[in-house]
Amino acid sequence: AQSVTQPDIHITVSEGASLELRCNYSYGATPYLFWYVQSPGQGLQLLLKYFSGDTLVQGIKGFEAEFKRSQSSFNLRKPSVHWSDAAEYFCAVGPPDSGYALNFGKGTSLLVTP
Amino acid sequence: EADIYQTPRYLVIGTGKKITLECSQTMGHDKMYWYQQDPGMELHLIHYSYGVNSTEKGDLSSESTVSRIRTEHFPLTLESARPSHTSQYLCASSDPLGARSSSYEQYFGPGTRLTVT
Repeated sequence: AQSVTQPDIHITVSEGASLELRCNYSYGATPYLFWYVQSPGQGLQLLLKYFSGDTLVQGIKGFEAEFKRSQSSFNLRKPSVHWSDAAEYFCAVGPPDSGYALNFGKGTSLLVTP
Repeated sequence: EADIYQTPRYLVIGTGKKITLECSQTMGHDKMYWYQQDPGMELHLIHYSYGVNSTEKGDLSSESTVSRIRTEHFPLTLESARPSHTSQYLCASSDPLGARSSSYEQYFGPGTRLTVT
């Protein structure tokens, strides 16, 4: 069955510390991969995306993600977290045979402490 | 910059009422989607449309209906609201132009938080 897994429901980091949010997927072929961020009471904003090519992709707000085919992973990273990064983060995949629908993980809630 | 709007942002309504959640986009996107999101859960696709007069049900069974009479407008209707419909509803659209892969990128509205009492 096709699935997207975000193993960490909640993560707490100190401001200025590095961050890594995990995402694993299960699909027959390499899907298109996305990370979205959702602030409280808001819709989802695209952080970055991977379709093909360089497996390390850069996004907005200083985020990056690395696609690892052998691990079926697409982890999101940021070297130094800011308090404004506190939000819900969603990994999503778009399999080529899905008819353009995206499948989302359950999300990881990030708390940033002073 | 994406321009996709949802109204109302918040709605509290009694059981049995008919409601329509509005979604509009000004980008000329053909593809539009409705997702339902509960706290701590992933987004579930409930409806989507590939263009005018095209509507399909998504993965999650929903008692709601949608229509797509105009490209920019994709309203969602609940004929008789129930407490089980309490949730956040997110509308999205995607751009079919350009490279095929870019059509997967979805732009989201701010959402409507619905509470049925």
